[in-house]
Amino acid sequence: AQSVAQPEDQVNVAEGNPLTVKCTYSVSGNPYLFWYVQYPNRGLQFLLKYITGDNLVKGSYGFEAEFNKSQTSFHLKKPSALVSDSALYFCAVREGYRGFQKLVFGTGTRLLVSP
Amino acid sequence: DAGVTQSPTHLIKTRGQQVTLRCSPKSGHDTVSWYQQALGQGPQFIFQYYEEEERQRGNFPDRFSGHQFPNYSSELNVNALLLGDSALYLCASSHRDSTGELFFGEGSRLTVL
Repeated sequence: AQSVAQPEDQVNVAEGNPLTVKCTYSVSGNPYLFWYVQYPNRGLQFLLKYITGDNLVKGSYGFEAEFNKSQTSFHLKKPSALVSDSALYFCAVREGYRGFQKLVFGTGTRLLVSP
Repeated sequence: DAGVTQSPTHLIKTRGQQVTLRCSPKSGHDTVSWYQQALGQGPQFIFQYYEEEERQRGNFPDRFSGHQFPNYSSELNVNALLLGDSALYLCASSHRDSTGELFFGEGSRLTVL
């Protein structure tokens, strides 16, 4: 079974500093990886995905993620954090095959950006 | 273009009751998946519907059932509610040919007393 792990329950960063939210994966075959963000009392919003190709994936709101096959990681990054980035971030991996697939989510990392 | 819409947004039930949650997928999407998100947890897959049939199911008891209608909208039904069923229920839609990206609704928060 495919799985992802988010080793940090919370990440604290000051506004303007770079941020990293970590994710490692365990899959058989080529991974399809995703990052979602959840604001309080809201659904999940898609940020970015890695399917194949360039290891650096750019997404919404200035976020990017780096796919590292040797380290089985897919860390979420942003060069300069904003207070409004404070939210819950989920890493996910696709399980199944095209058309009959689901996402397996990590436990989430709470990002807190201080002014 | 309307995204995924869910109703109701909040509801309170008592143990043993039954609940029905509703979802309309994003325009152009034909597949609906349901996830349960308990407090402080990541979303857990319940089941997926395509062409009005349940295609995949997660590790949830038969008390959880669903339906998809010809217009692709979907319902999630939970019978004999337990306190542990209290959670945010998320509907996600996608197209059959997508690479896995899901579009989520705002969720229905169920509280079981």
